[in-house]
Amino acid sequence: SQTIHQWPATLVQPVGSPLSLECTVEGTSNPNLYWYRQAAGRGLQLLFYSVGIGQISSEVPQNLSASRPQDRQFILSSKKLLLSDSGFYLCAWTAKRGRFSDQPQHFGDGTRLSIL
Amino acid sequence: GIQVEQSPPDLILQEGANSTLRCNFSDSVNNLQWFHQNPWGQLINLFYIPSGTKQNGRLSATTVATERYSLLYISSSQTTDSGVYFCAVVDQGAQKLVFGQGTRLTINP
Repeated sequence: SQTIHQWPATLVQPVGSPLSLECTVEGTSNPNLYWYRQAAGRGLQLLFYSVGIGQISSEVPQNLSASRPQDRQFILSSKKLLLSDSGFYLCAWTAKRGRFSDQPQHFGDGTRLSIL
Repeated sequence: GIQVEQSPPDLILQEGANSTLRCNFSDSVNNLQWFHQNPWGQLINLFYIPSGTKQNGRLSATTVATERYSLLYISSSQTTDSGVYFCAVVDQGAQKLVFGQGTRLTINP
């Protein structure tokens, strides 16, 4: 069966420090991958999505970036964190079979990021 | 882009009560998902429901795609049902889900 892993589960970082959050999927190949942010316990905002290695689409301009160095690995990064980057970050995947709309989206357990 | 609205934003009930959560969307969609986010932040898939009705234990969902809404029913609520319920729809032509703002459900013992 397929599983998705995110780490770390929680992270406390000072303003201006770099960031690297990692997400990996097991049990499937060539998935679509997604990074979301959730602030204040409501509303998921899509940040980035990827349909393949090296292919990244950005939904919201910000000081974050994403990379997909391997088929089942998705990384969210920042060179210098801002206070506004605090939030709950979720990674998700869908299988790439048939139409996108035929595939349910599955989420990791998230990373709670606090910026001090 | 497509808009998704959920109501009510907050719902407080006693254990054992029934509830109905609503999701309206602004355009035709190919599919719709309901999620439950528990107090630890985990997003759990509840239903994947393009149209019609599905049931899973005390939960059921109905989507009327032609009228652009979906309903989630929770019967005989338990405290473990507490959390935020999200609906999300597929934006046609884009490979992404669009989420509503959620309904925060609190079940008191």
